[in-house]
Amino acid sequence: EVQLVESGGGLVRPGGSLRLSCAASGISFSSYSMNWVRQAPGKGLEWVASITSTNDYIYYADSVNGRFTISRDNAKNSLYLQMNSLRAEDTAVYFCATEEYYDSRGTYISYFDYWGQGTLVTVSS
Amino acid sequence: DIRMTQSPPSLSASVGDRVIMTCRASQTISTFLNWYQQRPGKAPRLLIYAASNLQSGVPSRFSGSGSEKDFTLTISSLQSDDFATYYCQQSYFTPRTFGQGTKVEI
Repeated sequence: EVQLVESGGGLVRPGGSLRLSCAASGISFSSYSMNWVRQAPGKGLEWVASITSTNDYIYYADSVNGRFTISRDNAKNSLYLQMNSLRAEDTAVYFCATEEYYDSRGTYISYFDYWGQGTLVTVSS
Repeated sequence: DIRMTQSPPSLSASVGDRVIMTCRASQTISTFLNWYQQRPGKAPRLLIYAASNLQSGVPSRFSGSGSEKDFTLTISSLQSDDFATYYCQQSYFTPRTFGQGTKVEI
């Protein structure tokens, strides 16, 4: 059974830092690109960051670029999100998700197939 | 960034109804379009990938169609488990962007 378990969320003051973790089991973690997606209370889904299986490509949403750092440890089957200079608008449930690719006649279309249950980050004074 | 617009924002339906919702991309994305279901307090669940491919384990009452800019998710006969919010998402460009969701209510 595939499991992605996020941890590390909590209450933090504006300007503070937090490190989220996502522990994977039941999959060949080192083969997957991984993503963080967040959802503010009562709002829709927002992609945050992605990292390829061997760390060669990393991307961020403009809203977090320069403040958040995505990383992974394939030996520990774990994904991380270091969040610095946190703002009230970063308050959200943060999900980790695997990224799979579908071969459409030589064109690779990606999608998020496995998701964790999420961890809540609240930024408030 | 590619903007994804879903309609309607919400809809009321009954068990057994045929439900259709749409997603429009601000620019052409071929079939780089995925659909997710999210029940309250739960993680999103992949339903359809690459516009029309049913994810393993997803009931066949769900189907997707479309290409370029316009896409549709159809539930052929709504079941009680299907009352949820549905999101489309494009994977043609980074940043990956989601629609704002369509909430299916009783």
